[in-house]
Amino acid sequence: AQTVTQSQPEMSVQEAETVTLSCTYDTSESDYYLFWYKQPPSRQMILVIRQEAYKQQNATENRFSVNFQKAAKSFSLKISDSQLGDAAMYFCAYRSFGGATNKLIFGTGTLLAVQP
Amino acid sequence: KAGVTQTPRYLIKTRGQQVTLSCSPISGHRSVSWYQQTPGQGLQFLFEYFSETQRNKGNFPGRFSGRQFSNSRSEMNVSTLELGDSALYLCASSLEPGGINTEAFFGQGTRLTVV
Repeated sequence: AQTVTQSQPEMSVQEAETVTLSCTYDTSESDYYLFWYKQPPSRQMILVIRQEAYKQQNATENRFSVNFQKAAKSFSLKISDSQLGDAAMYFCAYRSFGGATNKLIFGTGTLLAVQP
Repeated sequence: KAGVTQTPRYLIKTRGQQVTLSCSPISGHRSVSWYQQTPGQGLQFLFEYFSETQRNKGNFPGRFSGRQFSNSRSEMNVSTLELGDSALYLCASSLEPGGINTEAFFGQGTRLTVV
């Protein structure tokens, strides 16, 4: 069974600074998807960035980028130029490539605080 | 384009009662998944529906059930409520199961409190 681990329950960053959130996972599958979701106080989960395991190039979305290390089963999220609106709970998630399923396996989350 | 709509937003029930939660996916989306979010267990997958058929089920007791209608709207039901069922229930909709560009869009959830 696949598992996702986020070892940082809480993180803090100064506005305009850079922060990296860590995520590791365990799987025996060779193809899969990895995601970072953001959950603000409104509770709605918002997709931040995704990575296909078969792609070696790290995904980027504006100020958000990932460091995907497939052999190490590591998938960290870097937030550059942090903004107050980035404050939220961040979840790392795994989805199998095959099996025609959208089932997501989530980590326990990292609560990010942004200090003005 | 309307997002994923979950109703009701808040619910208070008594132990032993049953409850039905509703999820209307984004127009055109035919896949709906449900998740339970609690402080202790985090986000856990409940089940997934596509074309009115349950495609996948998480490790939850039989008190948790769901269904999907022909218009892709989905309901989940919890019978004989227990205090531990208090949670945020999230619904996610996707175009179809799996696929390279199938992104899950989440609703704002239903906060269920069992007293």
